[in-house]
Amino acid sequence: DAGITQSPRHKVTETGTPVTLRCHQTENHRYMYWYRQDPGHGLRLIHYSYGVKDTDKGEVSDGYSVSRSKTEDFLLTLESATSSQTSVYFCATRHFVPHNEQFFGPGTRLTVL
Amino acid sequence: GQQLNQSPQSMFIQEGEDVSMNCTSSSIFNTWLWYKQDPGEGPVLLIALYKAGELTSNGRLTAQFGITRKDSFLNISASIPSDVGIYFCAGQLRNAGNMLTFGGGTRLMVKP
Repeated sequence: DAGITQSPRHKVTETGTPVTLRCHQTENHRYMYWYRQDPGHGLRLIHYSYGVKDTDKGEVSDGYSVSRSKTEDFLLTLESATSSQTSVYFCATRHFVPHNEQFFGPGTRLTVL
Repeated sequence: GQQLNQSPQSMFIQEGEDVSMNCTSSSIFNTWLWYKQDPGEGPVLLIALYKAGELTSNGRLTAQFGITRKDSFLNISASIPSDVGIYFCAGQLRNAGNMLTFGGGTRLMVKP
């Protein structure tokens, strides 16, 4: 358990509005990840971070941006939310090598109307 | 897209029965992980495997890293109602660096 919290836990918003989801961890893990989970698609990686200010794209990064200004916080931003971004979003963290285990937060359920 | 084939997609079993699920891939993996997800929560790590042929247990759970490095299985013995949930396999491809690939999940339902 990496002491991961996500906020908000639930959000309903309208198409075209900006949305920011926050992931906070207390274990000083170097790597942080954002996934979305949808029926029939499992967990898909959006973006990840390998250090402060160091981020990279994942499988489904279009329409999303991220920022990491501190080790403990990783923000996911939808600049202009669309209905296709309705999903459950999970943050995960991983300590430095050699271990590859990722630890997940409780998730944020986002509904875009 | 997903490169892991996880089966079965769902199972409905009687309490007390043993359960087996597996993941296969056409690619070689360096690490295999098994997670369980309860409704409304994030996946929780159950078992991590790092070497081909490795067999690891966690209580009633046993998982193995296939010799070919392209598959893994998870067994649950003497299932109980709280085993209900979705089980995911995940693996790190040999050249994937920091990223994991996830299977589609196995939904387990247990009848008391």
